[in-house]
Amino acid sequence: QKEVEQNSGPLSVPEGAIASLNCTYSDRVSQSFFWYRQYSGKSPELIMSIYSNGDKEDGRFTAQLNKASQYVSLLIRDSQPSDSATYLCAVNSDRGSTLGRLYFGRGTQLTVWP
Amino acid sequence: DGGITQSPKYLFRKEGQNVTLSCEQNLNHDAMYWYRQDPGQGLRLIYYSQIVNDFQKGDIAEGYSVSREKKESFPLTVTSAQKNPTAFYLCASSRFGDSSYEQYFGPGTRLTVT
Repeated sequence: QKEVEQNSGPLSVPEGAIASLNCTYSDRVSQSFFWYRQYSGKSPELIMSIYSNGDKEDGRFTAQLNKASQYVSLLIRDSQPSDSATYLCAVNSDRGSTLGRLYFGRGTQLTVWP
Repeated sequence: DGGITQSPKYLFRKEGQNVTLSCEQNLNHDAMYWYRQDPGQGLRLIYYSQIVNDFQKGDIAEGYSVSREKKESFPLTVTSAQKNPTAFYLCASSRFGDSSYEQYFGPGTRLTVT
């Protein structure tokens, strides 16, 4: 069973701060990594995809990937109260019959207070 | 507008009844997925289908059944054999074969069985 672990929450940061969300995964052959945001009572929304080692920036969001350490993170700069949600890390399977399926972490709940 | 629709948004059933949840997508995606989410839990994969007329069990398939007769549709039946059917059910879809594996979610169906 492939494992995806996220830092336990909840995480609480003041408005304007940087929120750092972390994720580790067990399957070394995984090649695709995703961050989803899920507001309370709603479905997950894809906010970042990353496939190569290094950083990928999109607005206030930066995803960081280190395949050697099997680690992926999401940084949210200038955090806003509207960023308050649960963030899910997902990792793909590149193996045989499970090719294409994603494995999800349990999520980290983020609260940004004004 | 391309997207994934799930109906209904809320569903109430008596114990012992089978119920079918609808999922339709017009994204021309090959692969479709059904997840279950319980309060405070991550996403658990029920079934997935990479191609029409083919599907695979996920991690918690017992008590559920699916069909994939059309590319656009992937209905899920929750049978009376499912011991704890009350949950938030999420359908997702993705392209298959291009190695990105980004999954996009529908709005979900909240099922309550009493």
